Order: sequence, then C-alpha cells, then structure tokens
Amino acid sequence: DAGVIQSPRHEVTEMGQEVTLRCKPISGHDYLFWYRQTMMRGLELLIYFNNNVPIDDSGMPEDRFSAKMPNASFSTLKIQPSEPRDSAVYFCASSLVYSGYLETQYFGPGTRLLVL
Amino acid sequence: GENVEQHPSTLSVQEGDSAVIKCTYSDSASNYFPWYKQELGKRPQLIIDIRSNVGEKKDQRIAVTLNKTAKHFSLHITETQPEDSAVYFCAASKEGSGGSYIPTFGRGTSLIVHP
Repeated sequence: DAGVIQSPRHEVTEMGQEVTLRCKPISGHDYLFWYRQTMMRGLELLIYFNNNVPIDDSGMPEDRFSAKMPNASFSTLKIQPSEPRDSAVYFCASSLVYSGYLETQYFGPGTRLLVL
Repeated sequence: GENVEQHPSTLSVQEGDSAVIKCTYSDSASNYFPWYKQELGKRPQLIIDIRSNVGEKKDQRIAVTLNKTAKHFSLHITETQPEDSAVYFCAASKEGSGGSYIPTFGRGTSLIVHP
C-alpha cells in the first residue's frame, strides 16, 4: 500500500483565492482526520470522518473552511477565501478501529500552504 | 474536553545520554496514549503507544510509562543518537464503547542530540 496520499505537496496562492487540498486514505481505513500544524499552535485537529461521515468539525477555524468525503477513498479540505493566517502544513491521517481499539494513525506527507 | 500538557518544549542532550519527555492529561477516561516522532519536514510517525491496562512498554531504546492515578505518561529514550533528533508529540484519546477516538496532542518537544 502506498500509504496516505496527499496533493498538492506545496501550494502557494494569493489571499482571497480558493484552495483545495486532497487526501486518499489507506484502503480499508474507516477513520480520516484533517490536521493543521503551525509553530504557534502546534498540531490541531480540524475535522474527522468515520465511514465517510463527518463526526466532529469543532476544530474547523471558521466558515471559510469546509471538508468533504464523498467516498471511502477520497477527501477534500477547502478554504474559500484563503487568508495569510491560513498558511500552515495540513496533514491528512487515516486509521482503523478494530474490536474497539484504534490502530496506528498513519499520516500523509502533508501539504505546505502559503497564502500571500 | 481533554487537555494534554507536554514538557519540556526543547530538550538538548549529548549523544549517549538519556532523554525523558513528560505529558499530563486531564480526562481520566482517556485510555490510549501514542507517541509520534516528526523529523524536520516530514510527517509524524508513531513510535510507541501504551494503553491504560499496562503501566510500561518498551521497544529497544524507547520506553513509555503510564501513571493513571497521577494522569501522566512519559517517553524515555536511552543511549540517544543524533538520528533521534526530532520533534516528539504525545497524545491521549479514548477507545472502546463510547470512545471518540479523537486524539488530543501535546505541543511537542524538540529533541536535539549533539554528537
């Protein structure tokens, strides 16, 4: 398995533009997490899905952020409009719950977003 | 919700020394405690984890201890090597019936091992 795949790996955009980040979880994993990492705030959980259904989006900073998971193999995180303070590394992670236990959470390589 | 505190934020040691990173958590229902290592520019990767039914777990040079009463857990790295230099994150979550599986992460510890 190729692991969690994210695209793009790097994104530079101008303030006000729409940004879409993509994630392909590991096949068979039923949990998908979106994180944001900055020096100031560390690793923040934005939203997570279980079996393609959003379970908790309380970490989403504001209405400019939205996430979808149309099927078990694809998720997107969209920022519209983007702002300079959204600059961060965005990680997608997937995992599997088996017999009530959470298996290892696997992270993707991340998308480095810079909003000018 | 859960709150995880991690100390120190930076740790500098000489090669061969031991390193200890400590985390405390607030929710007594948390029962799963993973540790992640993140090298510069890379993704976080799980290095060891512990569940609340055990007090200690060891894997070669790394070990994790858990004190449920005091609600703290620690990562121990012995015989440190330069390649151990990275940021280490602790996390806490709840598994099982009624568990949310949402991990709460500490702020991270930057470990620097000097040759």
